[in-house]
Amino acid sequence: GQSLEQPSEVTAVEGAIVQINCTYQTSGFYGLSWYQQHDGGAPTFLSYNALDGLEETGRFSSFLSRSDSYGYLLLQELQMKDSASYFCAVRASEKGSQGNLIFGKGTKLSVKP
Amino acid sequence: EAQVTQNPRYLITVTGKKLTVTCSQNMNHEYMSWYRQDPGLGLRQIYYSMNVEVTDKGDVPEGYKVSRKEKRNFPLILESPSPNQTSLYFCASSPWDGVYEQYFGPGTRLTVT
Repeated sequence: GQSLEQPSEVTAVEGAIVQINCTYQTSGFYGLSWYQQHDGGAPTFLSYNALDGLEETGRFSSFLSRSDSYGYLLLQELQMKDSASYFCAVRASEKGSQGNLIFGKGTKLSVKP
Repeated sequence: EAQVTQNPRYLITVTGKKLTVTCSQNMNHEYMSWYRQDPGLGLRQIYYSMNVEVTDKGDVPEGYKVSRKEKRNFPLILESPSPNQTSLYFCASSPWDGVYEQYFGPGTRLTVT
């Protein structure tokens, strides 16, 4: 089977840095995506890693290590508006299922003043 | 404005009464997908479509049907809804093969009594 593991909850203070980890177990791999979802809202795309290394987009960065089947999302200079759930997602790669996208269960980030 | 729209946004229905949730995108995307979101389970893919007339099952397709007769529309059909299909449903589209960056609709909250 295929699965993704991420912590269920993380708490941090405003201005701090937080890292949300994601480990995956898949039979193939095309890349790791990250999405943000505020309460009552729809998921929105944050970043994508197809190759090893760090991708930076403003205050958010995402890292991937394919050899370790591991990635993380790094949020810097935390703001109250970053309080949300964060999901990692991978695509199944077996023939005939190339559009199958699997999400982790999500990490609820709470940012405290 | 580029967007994915879903209708209805809220629906309360009774067991066994057929219903359709519509999804439409105005971005000329090839890939479209349906997800359900339940507390503690994250987003789970129901069906996806790589292009017109091409659909495939996701992880939880039982009890659902879809069709893709036009590029912009991807309706979700519940032929005989049951209470275990009470959930928050999201439609999404992508300009590529669906992994990289998905654009989500606002969601449809369905209650089956």
